[in-house]
Amino acid sequence: QVQLVQSGAEVKKPGASVKIPCKASGYTFPSNFIHWVRQAPGQRLEWMGWINAGNGNTKYSQNFQGRVTITRDTSASTTHMELSGLGYEDTAVYYCGRRAAAGLIDYWGQGTLVTVSS
Amino acid sequence: QSALTQPASVSGSPGQSITISCTGTSSDVGTYKIVSWYQHHPGKAPKLIIYEGTKRPSGVSNRFSGSRSGNTASLTISGLQAEDEADYYCCSYAGSSTLEVFGGGTKLTVL
Repeated sequence: QVQLVQSGAEVKKPGASVKIPCKASGYTFPSNFIHWVRQAPGQRLEWMGWINAGNGNTKYSQNFQGRVTITRDTSASTTHMELSGLGYEDTAVYYCGRRAAAGLIDYWGQGTLVTVSS
Repeated sequence: QSALTQPASVSGSPGQSITISCTGTSSDVGTYKIVSWYQHHPGKAPKLIIYEGTKRPSGVSNRFSGSRSGNTASLTISGLQAEDEADYYCCSYAGSSTLEVFGGGTKLTVL
């Protein structure tokens, strides 16, 4: 069965970077795009970007002003989302989701809590 | 600001029906007509409840239904239950360069 498994919670200091893996299994990894979204405390889900796991093409939300980078490692069936220049407002749960078809994200990771604290 | 517009909140009593709207443009909802809906309990993974506008994945209650008219898609939940209290998000295909756009989410409160 399809699974997306993310890493455990992380605590980072302001200004640092965080890189979150999303390991896929149960399907042919290069065949799908992966979206990343996040939810800050008390806020709604916010789309961050996507990656074409086949060719590595990406698209990012302009809200992050170049701070987000999504990569993939096809040999490990894993995508990574890296967010740099962390601020307290980046404290959030980050999710990856598999794009099964146009307009359809069918499986999601369990989420990774990132806490930014001095 | 999200690409798709949803009401910030809706509420209803157990047993009632509610509808959540999702308004896009002719660049997404109006042209491609490919809309999905997600239920999200904070701290848990989002759950797909409607795809391709009206279809339900296996295991999703038939109390959830989707529709579309013009640039607006809608999610209706009938026979409200306490467990339906969650945030709901719409998503629309928006073409091959953008892929998907999302709504800002609607908080459903079951009174």
